[in-house]
Amino acid sequence: DAGITQSPRHKVTETGTPVTLRCHQTENHRYMYWYRQDPGHGLRLIHYSYGVKDTDKGEVSDGYSVSRSKTEDFLLTLESATSSQTSVYFCATTGALNTEAFFGQGTRLTVV
Amino acid sequence: GQQLNQSPQSMFIQEGEDVSMNCTSSSIFNTWLWYKQDPGEGPVLLIALYKAGELTSNGRLTAQFGITRKDSFLNISASIPSDVGIYFCAGQDSGGSNYKLTFGKGTLLTVNP
Repeated sequence: DAGITQSPRHKVTETGTPVTLRCHQTENHRYMYWYRQDPGHGLRLIHYSYGVKDTDKGEVSDGYSVSRSKTEDFLLTLESATSSQTSVYFCATTGALNTEAFFGQGTRLTVV
Repeated sequence: GQQLNQSPQSMFIQEGEDVSMNCTSSSIFNTWLWYKQDPGEGPVLLIALYKAGELTSNGRLTAQFGITRKDSFLNISASIPSDVGIYFCAGQDSGGSNYKLTFGKGTLLTVNP
């Protein structure tokens, strides 16, 4: 357990509105990740961070941006939410060996 | 990018039976991880494998890192109802220092008491 807290846990928003999801970790892990989980697709990487202010795109980054101003917080922003972004979002961080990813409990986002 | 093929997609078994699932990759990985996800929760790490040929156990679970570094399997012995969930494999590629993980699409396990 890497002390990962995601907020909010559930959110319903309207198409076209901005949404920010927060991931907070207490273990001082360097690497943090945002994944989305959809039926039939498993877990797909959106963005990841390898340090404060250091981020990079994953395989499904279109429509998403991230920021990491502190080691413990990694924010995922949907600038203008679309129905295709309805999903469950998971934050993860690496453990001591920098390879094992530990996950938060997820945020269920519904865009109507 | 890398692709992981995880099979089977789903399994329905009787309590007490053994279970086997596997993942194959189109490219080499230097780490293989196996996770379990319960409904409404995030994936939880079960077993981590770091070396080709490595065989590691965690209770009734056993996983192996394939010699070719392109595959891994997970076995569950004497299944019980609480084994129900989705099992994911994940691999980290050998080429970069960014520690990105690629996940399989999961195996849904149902155990009938």
